[in-house]
Amino acid sequence: GQQLNQSPQSMFIQEGEDVSMNCTSSSIFNTWLWYKQDPGEGPVLLIALYKAGELTSNGRLTAQFGITRKDSFLNISASIPSDVGIYFCAGQLMNFNKFYFGSGTKLNVKP
Amino acid sequence: DAGITQSPRYKITETGRQVTLMCHQTWSHSYMFWYRQDLGHGLRLIYYSAAADITDKGEVPDGYVVSRSKTENFPLTLESATRSQTSVYFCASSPGLGPPDTQYFGPGTRLTVL
Repeated sequence: GQQLNQSPQSMFIQEGEDVSMNCTSSSIFNTWLWYKQDPGEGPVLLIALYKAGELTSNGRLTAQFGITRKDSFLNISASIPSDVGIYFCAGQLMNFNKFYFGSGTKLNVKP
Repeated sequence: DAGITQSPRYKITETGRQVTLMCHQTWSHSYMFWYRQDLGHGLRLIYYSAAADITDKGEVPDGYVVSRSKTENFPLTLESATRSQTSVYFCASSPGLGPPDTQYFGPGTRLTVL
């Protein structure tokens, strides 16, 4: 199956710091999605990206669709304790309705 | 606006028993998916469905059966549960108007097989 490499696996940061995480693949995707999962809950869609080079924000979150279409980045600015959770990327290939998921980035924010 | 719901949220069963996990969505999305989430493996696709009466295998289909007689429901059945099927199961749906497309998840069912 398709491999999405998500990094870092985990992060320990101080409240107020900015955070960056990314996903890369050897395949070209035409959609990138970013999710957040809280303990005991399902993943919640944060940002959807549909065009190469697209930069989209959702509050303090900003995600970018890489121009090579093989990667995507998520940035969180001025982190707060409620940002704690696991962040997943997901990519969709052209002409397929399945999504492939990264292994997740576990974010810990110290108050 | 219920969105996508799963039942039960928690289930404990014994090896060899049949178990059915339910998924219901109110958006009339064409596509529905079942994933399992295990430590170290992330989200793995079990089965998906493009429309009523159309289903296809994902990455880890063995030991599971699905059906989709109505667009809004997509039950997942473990015909004879095994301990290796202890996991958290997520149902998801997509409008199916793409690609590009989006995908929305239910709250999950935590299944323990003793």
